[in-house]
Amino acid sequence: AQSVSQHNHHVILSEAASLELGCNYSYGGTVNLFWYVQYPGQHLQLLLKYFSGDPLVKGIKGFEAEFIKSKFSFNLRKPSVQWSDTAEYFCAVGDSGYSTLTFGKGTMLLVSP
Amino acid sequence: GAVVSQHPSWVICKSGTSVKIECRSLDFQATTMFWYRQFPKQSLMLMATSNEGSKATYEQGVEKDKFLINHASLTLSTLTVTSAHPEDSSFYICSARPLEGGWDTDTQYFGPGTRLTVL
Repeated sequence: AQSVSQHNHHVILSEAASLELGCNYSYGGTVNLFWYVQYPGQHLQLLLKYFSGDPLVKGIKGFEAEFIKSKFSFNLRKPSVQWSDTAEYFCAVGDSGYSTLTFGKGTMLLVSP
Repeated sequence: GAVVSQHPSWVICKSGTSVKIECRSLDFQATTMFWYRQFPKQSLMLMATSNEGSKATYEQGVEKDKFLINHASLTLSTLTVTSAHPEDSSFYICSARPLEGGWDTDTQYFGPGTRLTVL
């Protein structure tokens, strides 16, 4: 069975600070990896995804993530956060058949202006 | 982007009654729809996967007789919580995976969720 671990439940940053949110997964086979974001009062939206190829993936709004297979990790990064990045971020893993997703518990990011 | 709606957005019901939640893909057809449950400060837990015209596949521990799923068309799936009890109070979220039509078929698009409170 797959499992996803997000290291931080809450992160507080000032505007312009750099962000890195950790995500580790447990699964023996080929995986597809996702980061979703949920802004206050809104539904989940896809930030970026990795299926294959270049392990450094760029998503929307300046976010990127790096897949490191040897570490079973898919950390999310942004060089300079904005107040509007305040949201909850979820890492998710899908199997190669992409039949289902397993989500981490989420990280609540609060960016102070 | 691809839009998924849910109705109602919130519902309060008495214990013992049944509640139906609708999930619609508004601008695409969905080969597969998923139902999740989210408890406060916890992650989304997949309840079931439904494909149009066939029986839903339930995750381990999810009572199929309590959480009835009907995927009547390529744009509509419903979740009925039967004989609801207070412990069923939760946030229910659906997602849909596009069949085709210019949308990313490898991505699940999420609805806004339905808050169910059982008194």
